[in-house]
Amino acid sequence: DGGITQSPKYLFRKEGQNVTLSCEQNLNHDAMYWYRQDPGQGLRLIYYSQIVNDFQKGDIAEGYSVSREKKESFPLTVTSAQKNPTAFYLCASSMWRAGSEEKLFFGSGTQLSVL
Amino acid sequence: AQSVTQPDIHITVSEGASLELRCNYSYGATPYLFWYVQSPGQGLQLLLKYFSGDTLVQGIKGFEAEFKRSQSSFNLRKPSVHWSDAAEYFCAVGGTSNTGKLIFGQGTTLQVKP
Repeated sequence: DGGITQSPKYLFRKEGQNVTLSCEQNLNHDAMYWYRQDPGQGLRLIYYSQIVNDFQKGDIAEGYSVSREKKESFPLTVTSAQKNPTAFYLCASSMWRAGSEEKLFFGSGTQLSVL
Repeated sequence: AQSVTQPDIHITVSEGASLELRCNYSYGATPYLFWYVQSPGQGLQLLLKYFSGDTLVQGIKGFEAEFKRSQSSFNLRKPSVHWSDAAEYFCAVGGTSNTGKLIFGQGTTLQVKP
């Protein structure tokens, strides 16, 4: 079945450590996105990528980094510069066409906590 | 500034009662509007979307929403709520140039009483 797979489901980060969240999709979607979800704040866009080898900062990119070496994969690294990393992270994908009616498909999320 | 406001953080309704979740948006261009639902610890599932045409849109699970441009609103409704509808609901807005880069509201948590 086609879909988006995020791993791990739960992740713990130690002080000063970088951690990487995985996101893989087999929907043949061009665009991929990372959102951060905090209680009572909805979802906020961290980074997005419309095509391979290209990505753009979202609203809260500081302390995060991404890569898009393959169409199927869009890993997110939470660096030690992110001082408040505890949150639920959601990866999403969509076809990319300006003015299109394509919807977002979401993964099941990764809960990141600080030890 | 572009934004989405869901005025109700938490709503409780009795099973079988009707439901309306409010959503107001501020967006400079022609908006694309969405409602998503999220079960605890899970991703988001699209309930319905409005892009153009009929301002009353039907979605999955018996939900509908009405786009009112004059009020900048896109309220979600369901005539009879089921216990399985208990979840968190998010309204989101996107633009014609980038439908994937959405702006989400803060979410409304729905509790259903038996």
